[in-house]
Amino acid sequence: DIQMTQSPSSMSASAGDRVTITCRASQGISSWLAWYQQKPGKAPKLLIYGASILQSGVPSRFSGSGSGTDFTLTISSLQPEDFATYYCQQAASFPRTFGQGTKVEIK
Amino acid sequence: QITLKETGPTLVKPTQTLTLTCTFSGFSLSTSGVGVGWIRQPPGKALEWLALIYWANDKRYSPSLKSRLTITHDTSKNEVTLTLTNMDPVDTATYYCAHSEPSSGWFFDYWGQGTLVTVSS
Repeated sequence: DIQMTQSPSSMSASAGDRVTITCRASQGISSWLAWYQQKPGKAPKLLIYGASILQSGVPSRFSGSGSGTDFTLTISSLQPEDFATYYCQQAASFPRTFGQGTKVEIK
Repeated sequence: QITLKETGPTLVKPTQTLTLTCTFSGFSLSTSGVGVGWIRQPPGKALEWLALIYWANDKRYSPSLKSRLTITHDTSKNEVTLTLTNMDPVDTATYYCAHSEPSSGWFFDYWGQGTLVTVSS
């Protein structure tokens, strides 16, 4: 199985901050990576797929980069509605695997 | 528009079999490239991928749960069913079904609301 490791596990930030979350795969996955946002009591929402392709309807303050084993999700200017938990997921091979999540909290 | 909804028991006893149904609309599981997957999330924990069925009835399972899992598609209905045998309290989780297709890189672009299943005697 491909292990996905996110860092940090949690972070505190203020509205307007630039936020960066990283995800590392235990082996190369090319660009087969997605980022999801999950708010309490809600299903995850797809933000980015193919490592850097913004899903339709997702604000442009979200961006993704990376390939191979190292990936980054960046929120250019954190908005109040962005406080949530973020997960990466690989689709390079089965079984599909998720990272352990990064919780972005209000400072 | 695409929608998915999970239904099934909210409480099961240890050793029982869980059967969940994902009823979907807005797409066909007969369309090339389309898939429906199941993902679960124990309370306060991370997402865990369980299984996925593709348009050609290709089925994939989590290796750690493969002996207990079955995913099927009722071709006469827009339904995908997941069964998980020999339930244990560690299987307590919110279970989600989700849509997957090539236009979103085969990632999960639409999700159901989830259904919480508690395993307890």
